[in-house]
Amino acid sequence: AQSVTQPDIHITVSEGASLELRCNYSYGATPYLFWYVQSPGQGLQLLLKYFSGDTLVQGIKGFEAEFKRSQSSFNLRKPSVHWSDAAEYFCAVGEAYDYKLSFGAGTTVTVRA
Amino acid sequence: KAGVTQTPRYLIKTRGQQVTLSCSPISGHRSVSWYQQTPGQGLQFLFEYFSETQRNKGNFPGRFSGRQFSNSRSEMNVSTLELGDSALYLCASSRGRESSYNSPLHFGNGTRLTVT
Repeated sequence: AQSVTQPDIHITVSEGASLELRCNYSYGATPYLFWYVQSPGQGLQLLLKYFSGDTLVQGIKGFEAEFKRSQSSFNLRKPSVHWSDAAEYFCAVGEAYDYKLSFGAGTTVTVRA
Repeated sequence: KAGVTQTPRYLIKTRGQQVTLSCSPISGHRSVSWYQQTPGQGLQFLFEYFSETQRNKGNFPGRFSGRQFSNSRSEMNVSTLELGDSALYLCASSRGRESSYNSPLHFGNGTRLTVT
């Protein structure tokens, strides 16, 4: 069964500093990988996705993620964090036609001035 | 284009009661999925519907059920509510025919259910 691990429950970063959120997945074949963001009281918004091709993918809001098959990782990065990036971030894995996603536990990002 | 709409936003129910939550997908989307979000268990898949057919179901008791109508709107029902059913219930829609990669999920803002 597919699973996702987000090792960091909470990360605090200064505004303007870089951010990296870790995600490790367990899946036999090549998975579909996603990063979602959830602001308080809101649903989830898709930041980016990966299935194949270039291992560095660009998303919305200046985020990017790198797929590393050898490490079973799909880490999310942003070079310079803005206060509005404070939210909870979820990594998810899916199969081609399984019609469901398995989510990690999430990482809460706090941005300090 | 309007997003995924979930009603109501908040619900307070008593143990033993039943509840029905509603979801209107994005126009043109024929797949609707439901997820339960709790602090302890995180986001867990409940079920997915496409063209009124359930294609996948998560590991939840039979008290949790759903359906989809011909206009793609969906409802989920929880009977005999327990305290542990308190959660944010999220609905997501997608076009549904393609793989999950080519037709990613678009989430609503959820229904917050509190069981007392």
